Amino acid sequence: ILNVEQSPQSLHVQEGDSTNFTCSFPSSNFYALHWYRWETAKSPEALFVMTLNGDEKKKGRISATLNTKEGYSYLYIKGSQPEDSATYLCAFYTGANSKLTFGKGITLSVRP
Amino acid sequence: NAGVTQTPKFRVLKTGQSMTLLCAQDMNHEYMYWYRQDPGMGLRLIHYSVGEGTTAKGEVPDGYNVSRLKKQNFLLGLESAAPSQTSVYFCASSREETQYFGPGTRLLVL
Repeated sequence: ILNVEQSPQSLHVQEGDSTNFTCSFPSSNFYALHWYRWETAKSPEALFVMTLNGDEKKKGRISATLNTKEGYSYLYIKGSQPEDSATYLCAFYTGANSKLTFGKGITLSVRP
Repeated sequence: NAGVTQTPKFRVLKTGQSMTLLCAQDMNHEYMYWYRQDPGMGLRLIHYSVGEGTTAKGEVPDGYNVSRLKKQNFLLGLESAAPSQTSVYFCASSREETQYFGPGTRLLVL
């Protein structure tokens, strides 16, 4: 079983704070690393798919970086807003059968 | 284009009863998946399918069966429900590795 770890488990921040999360994954058999955003009472939606070491992706105030050699990815949110409150999942893909191995997620709560 | 839909949205079962959860996708995706989501456990893969007529076990397959008779549908069956199967069940589909999720089915087994 592949081990995908996310930290911290939860985070409470004030509106306007910047925050970052860590996802660690096996550095062998790497094909891609995914980030999903999961709002309460909704279903997970894909944020980023990252494949190359050193990759950096950005969508609005959210960005992510990837280090495949050491097996980690960071997700940054600049100037958090209450609407950023959600669970952020990372998922590791080895290229086999399109199966993803998900981390347990990081729950972000942004206070107005 | 409805994406991925799940039926029912919510169900209460008694221990020992059986039921089938239906997942349908209209994106012509080859791959389909069933996950369960429990507090503190994240998403765990129950079964998946790489194409019509195929199924395979995931991380937590015990107590569940699946069928993929048509490409657009993936059924998850509980033959004899147990309280440990109380969970939220998510279906997903993909063409490559990005998965598209349904809205979830909340199941309570008493």
